[in-house]
Amino acid sequence: QLVLTQSPSASASLGASVKLTCTLSSGHSSYAIAWHQQQPEKGPRYLMKLNSDGSHRKGDGIPDRFSGSSSGAERYLTISSLQSEDEADYYCQTWGTGIQVFGGGTKLTVL
Amino acid sequence: EVQLVESGGGLVQPGGSLRLSCAASGFTFSRYSMNWVRQAPGKGLEWVSYISGGSSGSIYYADSVKGRFTISRDNARNSLYLQMNSPRAEDTAVYYCAREGVGGRDFDLWGRGTLVTVSS
Repeated sequence: QLVLTQSPSASASLGASVKLTCTLSSGHSSYAIAWHQQQPEKGPRYLMKLNSDGSHRKGDGIPDRFSGSSSGAERYLTISSLQSEDEADYYCQTWGTGIQVFGGGTKLTVL
Repeated sequence: EVQLVESGGGLVQPGGSLRLSCAASGFTFSRYSMNWVRQAPGKGLEWVSYISGGSSGSIYYADSVKGRFTISRDNARNSLYLQMNSPRAEDTAVYYCAREGVGGRDFDLWGRGTLVTVSS
């Protein structure tokens, strides 16, 4: 079964960096994912598509502070030089034939 | 401007019906596969349904809505629809339409959502 697992919460200080993790279920370590950001009371915003080899393509207007990387079944989103507006929920997404799957989301708090 | 704008949400009684719309602009709508995604209050994102772009006509549903919801599109009107029949309280959510990127399945464009409340 295709499942994405995310930690429910993370925190980091203003100006620091944070690395969020999304883990693919067993047997699906070659899958690409996408990262999305959802700020409070807003709709989701596409950040990037991240492949298993770590290559990624960002959405229009996404700052260089956002980057992605991969290792095995883990997919990472790194945000550097944290700003207050980065405080948001972050979701990973993947897909199979006839199905789309989201992780449970990570709530990022900027201290 | 490239955007998706949902409409049609509101209060509906259990067992009633409601049709959501998503108006697309700024891109060639017919080329893109489209999806509905929902978010219950205080919860995460849940995929609801998919319809292919082009001519393949593929449609998929999440098990939670199969047999009750129907996705469709009108390429001449640049619009996506979700017909919700026999809604239940657990269908209460903000409903988003989302575009799949060309050559990929990632959702590269989202609307702002429309709230559906199922209650008597």
